[in-house]
Amino acid sequence: GEKVEQHQSTLSVREGDSAVINCTYTDTASSYFPWYKQEAGKSLHFVIDIRSNVDRKQSQRLTVLLDKKAKRFSLHITATQPEDSAIYFCAASNYGNEKITFGAGTKLTIKP
Amino acid sequence: EAAVTQSPRNKVTVTGGNVTLSCRQTNSHNYMYWYRQDTGHGLRLIHYSYGAGNLQIGDVPDGYKATRTTQEDFFLLLELASPSQTSLYFCASSDLGGYAEQFFGPGTRLTVL
Repeated sequence: GEKVEQHQSTLSVREGDSAVINCTYTDTASSYFPWYKQEAGKSLHFVIDIRSNVDRKQSQRLTVLLDKKAKRFSLHITATQPEDSAIYFCAASNYGNEKITFGAGTKLTIKP
Repeated sequence: EAAVTQSPRNKVTVTGGNVTLSCRQTNSHNYMYWYRQDTGHGLRLIHYSYGAGNLQIGDVPDGYKATRTTQEDFFLLLELASPSQTSLYFCASSDLGGYAEQFFGPGTRLTVL
């Protein structure tokens, strides 16, 4: 089955700098790649996704890049703010698949 | 916006105990999921369902049963709880399975002594 790997378990950046979180996947059939955010002590909520018919998607300060050849996707956060501190989970699935596979999570800390 | 609620929010039991975790969603989503979250493992799927009376096995089902009694309600049962089942449990719902946003409940922290 699909395996999703997040390469950084932790990431620390200064407030105002950019942060990049990288993920890889194994199943070439995967076509849907969402990202979820979990703030300290809270549940997960969806932040952005990308489907395989595009290689870039932006929503305000968040951009997702998808490299299908390398089976790699990444979340870019620009102009980071303290409220960006959280655990970010990447995930992968494909059309018709009933379940989604999550990565292990990256804890992002924004330093003042 | 989808609403997913879970109860209890915290539960402590002893080894061998019987535990039921409850989840209710009010957005008429077809799919419901039970995950456990453990440090270093991310979210792992225990069981899921695509409608009342349906049950599908996830990736880490051992020691867990589940039942979907209605469109809204999905239960996770631990009949002989073990310390290895100490974890944070999340329920989620989705209208298109794995190809759309999942809406998560607030979580249940379970401790098995």
